[in-house]
Amino acid sequence: GEDVEQSLFLSVREGDSSVINCTYTDSSSTYLYWYKQEPGAGLQLLTYIFSNMDMKQDQRLTVLLNKKDKHLSLRIADTQTGDSAIYFCAESGTGKLIFGQGTTLQVKP
Amino acid sequence: EAGVAQSPRYKIIEKRQSVAFWCNPISGHATLYWYQQILGQGPKLLIQFQNNGVVDDSQLPKDRFSAERLKGVDSTLKIQPAKLEDSAVYLCASSFESREQYFGPGTRLTVT
Repeated sequence: GEDVEQSLFLSVREGDSSVINCTYTDSSSTYLYWYKQEPGAGLQLLTYIFSNMDMKQDQRLTVLLNKKDKHLSLRIADTQTGDSAIYFCAESGTGKLIFGQGTTLQVKP
Repeated sequence: EAGVAQSPRYKIIEKRQSVAFWCNPISGHATLYWYQQILGQGPKLLIQFQNNGVVDDSQLPKDRFSAERLKGVDSTLKIQPAKLEDSAVYLCASSFESREQYFGPGTRLTVT
């Protein structure tokens, strides 16, 4: 069945780049997403990429998609303390979103 | 533009009691979703509505969970009777086109 896997934790220094990785199983996924969740809050849509694209850049965020390996990554340039949160990768092949378990990003000053 | 509204934000009940959550989607969004997020996990879809019709409720435990979306706008999700394992955050999301889902702040349910 559909499955999305992420590493659970990433720690970086303020000003460094962060790279959060995700793998998925559904080759029919049309869109792949990155959401951010801060404590006690809902999910904020950060960005998404269409499955026929390799890369998408949006300000400090860069999404890379390797469709052959079913690997998605989110790079955050110049990471700030305000970027500390849980980041969820999700795939959508049939309209509904299938989420990974989330990666906690810790940014140290 | 106002976001997705949910209430209450927090609810504590005892097992076997009933509870209801309310969601008001973004104006004009035809599709509404309810997700369950257990602590330490990603959200899992419970039910998806298109206007007031159900598109997908395959993951909804229908023996205790019910949801409705009267008039194709607001929606309520009910649990009756609640079990300890229902403790979670219940997230409502809406979308105009299915590729962008916008989430509300969620309702944190604790069942004791």
